Amino acid sequence: GQSLEQPSEVTAVEGAIVQINCTYQTSGFYGLSWYQQHDGGAPTFLSYNALDGLEETGRFSSFLSRSDSYGYLLLQELQMKDSASYFCAPRVDSSYKLIFGSGTRLLVRP
Amino acid sequence: NAGVTQTPKFQVLKTGQSMTLQCAQDMNHNSMYWYRQDPGMGLRLIYYSASEGTTDKGEVPNGYNVSRLNKREFSLRLESAAPSQTSVYFCASSETGGYQPQHFGDGTRLSIL
Repeated sequence: GQSLEQPSEVTAVEGAIVQINCTYQTSGFYGLSWYQQHDGGAPTFLSYNALDGLEETGRFSSFLSRSDSYGYLLLQELQMKDSASYFCAPRVDSSYKLIFGSGTRLLVRP
Repeated sequence: NAGVTQTPKFQVLKTGQSMTLQCAQDMNHNSMYWYRQDPGMGLRLIYYSASEGTTDKGEVPNGYNVSRLNKREFSLRLESAAPSQTSVYFCASSETGGYQPQHFGDGTRLSIL
């Protein structure tokens, strides 16, 4: 079977840094992607890690450790608009489909 | 560019009724997907189509059928709707080759009474 674990909720202050962790157990693994979803909106792609290490895209960074079956999303200089749900989504086989976790709801306070 | 367009945006059905959710993309993507998202949950894959002319089951295909009409369009049909199928349905598309992000439509909010 496949399982994903993320914290259900995280609260942080505007301007701070927050890390959202994801651990996975999957039958196969090709890489880990992250998506953002605002309430009532569609998921949007943030990042993808195929190899171990850190990928940086502006204020957002994503990290992967394949040996630990673990990744995280790091959000810096938090803004109110970052309040949203964040999903980790492993690619588990050679097709392009993804497995989504239940997501982490991030609340950014003033 | 419209990206991925889903119709309708909202629908209310009675148990036992049938309906088809439509999805079209204008990005010339090979792969298309249908997901459902229940309140407070992640997305679960219903069906996907890796390329025109092919479809495969995802995690939760029971009660649904799909048609990849052409490269642009991928429809999802509920033959006999059940209250358990009340959900938000998202269509997505992606290119193939290496890793390509999925682009999502705005969703169809479906209630079955």
